[in-house]
Amino acid sequence: EAGVVQSPRYKIIEKKQPVAFWCNPISGHNTLYWYRQNLGQGPELLIRYENEEAVDDSQLPKDRFSAERLKGVDSTLKIQPAELGDSAVYLCASSPRGTFGTGELFFGEGSRLTVL
Amino acid sequence: GEDVEQSLFLSVREGDSSVINCTYTDSSSTYLYWYKQEPGAGLQLLTYIFSNMDMKQDQRLTVLLNKKDKHLSLRIADTQTGDSAIYFCAETPSSNTGKLIFGQGTTLQVKP
Repeated sequence: EAGVVQSPRYKIIEKKQPVAFWCNPISGHNTLYWYRQNLGQGPELLIRYENEEAVDDSQLPKDRFSAERLKGVDSTLKIQPAELGDSAVYLCASSPRGTFGTGELFFGEGSRLTVL
Repeated sequence: GEDVEQSLFLSVREGDSSVINCTYTDSSSTYLYWYKQEPGAGLQLLTYIFSNMDMKQDQRLTVLLNKKDKHLSLRIADTQTGDSAIYFCAETPSSNTGKLIFGQGTTLQVKP
């Protein structure tokens, strides 16, 4: 079974440029998460989707960040324009519906963003 | 507020036991978790404990939960070099059961 797939693995851009990250969750997983992990820190939730609906986007900086999951499968996270402080690893995770209580989120390998 | 704290670094010798500690603030957390992150990889769930349990054992892993002190620990018996990684404690806050709050991670270094 394929795991959570993210691309690109690495991205280096100059500040004020746009960037987009893509995530394909595990087949059949209805819940999709985008987390941001700063260097030396734990992941912090940016947005959570149940199918195509964003049910928790309270931590998403909406002035420059946007996300979509149009068909309830894969998802894109966009930053426009990027700032120096956006340098981090962007992690995508998924979980099957109704099993959240066990806490098993399946994480992708992450997309490492460096903003110069 | 919701907060999870961990010590940043632990170094042990191969074959010794490792104990990684975590404190959390939400006394109504339903589940508490330990995730492992190897270099360049995503996080992988190691184990979890429901809040009405005091202890859970799974092969070399033992999780202890002290609800009174809001303290969680992970003990790894017979630590191997392959256990070298970053270990994250996480909780589901009572305010939002669809969300995980992670600690900053404890780097475990295992020396041969």
